[in-house]
Amino acid sequence: GAGVSQSPRYKVAKRGQDVALRCDPISGHVSLFWYQQALGQGPEFLTYFQNEAQLDKSGLPSDRFFAERPEGSVSTLKIQRTQQEDSAVYLCASSLAELALETQYFGPGTRLLVL
Amino acid sequence: TQLLEQSPQFLSIQEGENLTVYCNSSSVFSSLQWYRQEPGEGPVLLVTVVTGGEVKKLKRLTFQFGDARKDSSLHITAAQTGDTGLYLCAGGAGGTSYGKLTFGQGTILTVHP
Repeated sequence: GAGVSQSPRYKVAKRGQDVALRCDPISGHVSLFWYQQALGQGPEFLTYFQNEAQLDKSGLPSDRFFAERPEGSVSTLKIQRTQQEDSAVYLCASSLAELALETQYFGPGTRLLVL
Repeated sequence: TQLLEQSPQFLSIQEGENLTVYCNSSSVFSSLQWYRQEPGEGPVLLVTVVTGGEVKKLKRLTFQFGDARKDSSLHITAAQTGDTGLYLCAGGAGGTSYGKLTFGQGTILTVHP
């Protein structure tokens, strides 16, 4: 079966532009996570959805970052007025259930470069 | 804030050598996971350990969770060029029911033929 897919795979934005990053989780997966991975670093948690409910957005760096999952499937991470420090790989992961030890399956990421 | 420190950050060895990567924290984690990430791809789960003192083996890889559940190690025996990649440890936070992960900064392993 298909894994987690993300689009676009690469995005170049001028400082100040808005961007939207899409995540298609594995079909039927309840949980969806967004992580930000800076160059040479490990991923950092951004936000978590259980179905359509955003239960944790404690990792979002600023109010310029917004995520949604309106029908409990596809999710979009939106960054408004991009800044150079937003340059990173944005990873999406999904898991079958909401349990703590459920395996998270990661997508390939979207590499965002803000010029 | 829970932090995980991985060491070393970079490791360059010859094929056939053994190596150990460490993951340390001052915080207690409910679980500890190890991932491997290839360039241009997302992390792939290798193992999850949940019990203090637990040891798991996956072919040439041995994973250990510290007794106090604050640290972990990954040992690779007789490294192969195919082991090259970024290795990440990640701790599962207690108190959340959904598996929020805190990652270490990673260890870049290069195995030379």
